[in-house]
Amino acid sequence: DIQMTQSPSSLSASVGDRVTITCQASQGISQFLNWYQQRPGQAPQLLIYDASTLETGVPSRFNGTGSGTVFTFTISSLQPEDFATYYCQYYDNLPLRLTFGGGTKVEIK
Amino acid sequence: QVQVVQSGAEVKKAGSSVKVSCRTSGGTFSNNAINWVRQAPGQGLEWMGGIIPVFGTPEYAQKFQGRLTISADESTNTAYLELGGLRSDDTAVYYCTRGEMTSMVQGVYWGQGTLVTVSS
Repeated sequence: DIQMTQSPSSLSASVGDRVTITCQASQGISQFLNWYQQRPGQAPQLLIYDASTLETGVPSRFNGTGSGTVFTFTISSLQPEDFATYYCQYYDNLPLRLTFGGGTKVEIK
Repeated sequence: QVQVVQSGAEVKKAGSSVKVSCRTSGGTFSNNAINWVRQAPGQGLEWMGGIIPVFGTPEYAQKFQGRLTISADESTNTAYLELGGLRSDDTAVYYCTRGEMTSMVQGVYWGQGTLVTVSS
């Protein structure tokens, strides 16, 4: 099975900072990679799909890059509402599979 | 507009079973995959299994083989998760999530979550 390793597991940052999170797949997954934001008590929200495509309505300060085994998620200028936990997720359609990274909690410095 | 609505919170005894429903509206039910994901208190997201209703055959994570059943009823646009042999470590929020057939992306739309509490 494919494993997803996400780092760091947590970080502290200030409003306006640039934040970068990395996700590494145990084998090549092309671009079948999503990024989610999850606030406390809420369901995850899709931000980026297929490694780099911004979901409709998501602010452009969120960005994703990568293919194969290494993926990067960036928030260009952290806003107060961005303090949350972020997850990467590999997906496959045949057969159906979802594999999540361990998550990155972004906290206020 | 796609909506995903799950059934309400459950409290169950250890050893019993729980069945959670997930009704979707907007778009086509049959061709879009439904996946089930759970989150234990303070923990990350864990995939349990999924189904594409038109195909009917579910896929399960190895960890849940033998005590998990996922099904879908195309007449009511509703998917179900049934987990048996409940243990205290099955206490979690259970989410269903629908994919998007046109882009073949999974995990696009999410239900509000269903808290399942298992007591001994």
